[in-house]
Amino acid sequence: EDKVVQSPLSLVVHEGDTVTLNCSYEVTNFRSLLWYKQEKKAPTFLFMLTSSGIEKKSGRLSSILDKKELFSILNITATQTGDSAVYLCAVESNFGNEKLTFGTGTRLTIIP
Amino acid sequence: DTEVTQTPKHLVMGMTNKKSLKCEQHMGHRAMYWYKQKAKKPPELMFVYSYEKLSINESVPSRFSPECPNSSLLNLHLHALQPEDSALYLCASSLNRGTGELFFGEGSRLTVL
Repeated sequence: EDKVVQSPLSLVVHEGDTVTLNCSYEVTNFRSLLWYKQEKKAPTFLFMLTSSGIEKKSGRLSSILDKKELFSILNITATQTGDSAVYLCAVESNFGNEKLTFGTGTRLTIIP
Repeated sequence: DTEVTQTPKHLVMGMTNKKSLKCEQHMGHRAMYWYKQKAKKPPELMFVYSYEKLSINESVPSRFSPECPNSSLLNLHLHALQPEDSALYLCASSLNRGTGELFFGEGSRLTVL
């Protein structure tokens, strides 16, 4: 069964700090890894990673995938209070039954 | 604003009621999904429709009955639910099944009394 583990479970930092969120996975026939941000209701898409070692970047957020070690990190620099959310990592398999398996998420709180 | 619209936003129902959750998208996506999310837990997949046909049912109890009338609409019919079914029900869509990026609706918060 596919498995996604995120760490830490929760994180509290001050505005302006840099944070690194971790996601490790075990999946049969890996296809992609995705990061979502969930503030109150709908998860919103951040990144999709399919190739190892290639950084995806969007403003202060960046993410990279290591397919050999089976993990990904999400970095947020110069954090702002609007970054407070649950960050979900999900993996998709390519085994004829494509679906996303989500991790339990990291709850990030930014203190002004 | 999300391009996946779910109604109602909140629903309270008794265990003998029959109700429906509705989801609509006009992005031309051919795959649509129902997820269930309990408090402080990740979304759990319930059903996947691809080209209006049910392609995945994650062993969901029959008191949940999905329906896809056309490529833009997805319903979830609810009957004889239990209090433990109380959760946030999220609808999502993607261009095709297996293309990874899902667009989520804001969810329907269901409370079963």
